[in-house]
Amino acid sequence: AQSVTQLGSHVSVSEGALVLLRCNYSSSVPPYLFWYVQYPNQGLQLLLKYTSAATLVKGINGFEAEFKKSETSFHLTKPSAHMRDAAEYFCAVSEGYQLIWGAGTKLIIKP
Amino acid sequence: KAGVTQTPRYLIKTRGQQVTLSCSPISGHRSVSWYQQTPGQGLQFLFEYFSETQRNKGNFPGRFSGRQFSNSRSEMNVSTLELGDSALYLCASSPSDRGGTDTQYFGPGTRLTVL
Repeated sequence: AQSVTQLGSHVSVSEGALVLLRCNYSSSVPPYLFWYVQYPNQGLQLLLKYTSAATLVKGINGFEAEFKKSETSFHLTKPSAHMRDAAEYFCAVSEGYQLIWGAGTKLIIKP
Repeated sequence: KAGVTQTPRYLIKTRGQQVTLSCSPISGHRSVSWYQQTPGQGLQFLFEYFSETQRNKGNFPGRFSGRQFSNSRSEMNVSTLELGDSALYLCASSPSDRGGTDTQYFGPGTRLTVL
């Protein structure tokens, strides 16, 4: 069975600083990978999705992620953090008919 | 298009009771998945339905069950509720039959509290 590891349950950055949220997966074949965001008291919203078409994937709200097969990583980045980015971020990998989820990383934005 | 809707949004039950949660997918979507989200266990897959057939089930006891109707609406049922069943239950729909490789669109969830 596949697994997803998100390093850091909480990440704190200053407004305007670089955001880097880490995700590593375990898979012997290139998987489908996803980043979702969850705002307080809401469901999850897709940020971006890797489908093997391109290693650098651009998503909504200025986020992007790079697939690195050699490192089995799919880290999420944003050049400049905004207060509205404060939320919980989940990395997921597809396995059959389901998604396998990371534990999530809460992004805290300091003014 | 309207998004995924879940009813009710909040529910309070007592141990031993039974509960039914409802999910209406985005119009045209035929796949519906259910997840349980708790602070301790995170997001865990419950089951997935496509065209009224359960294609996959997560590692949950038999007290958790679900079904999908011909209009793609889905329900999940939890019988003999336990305190540990307190969670946010999320429903997601997707447009194709490709399962986990397809984008899933989530509803706002049903917050279940078991007292």
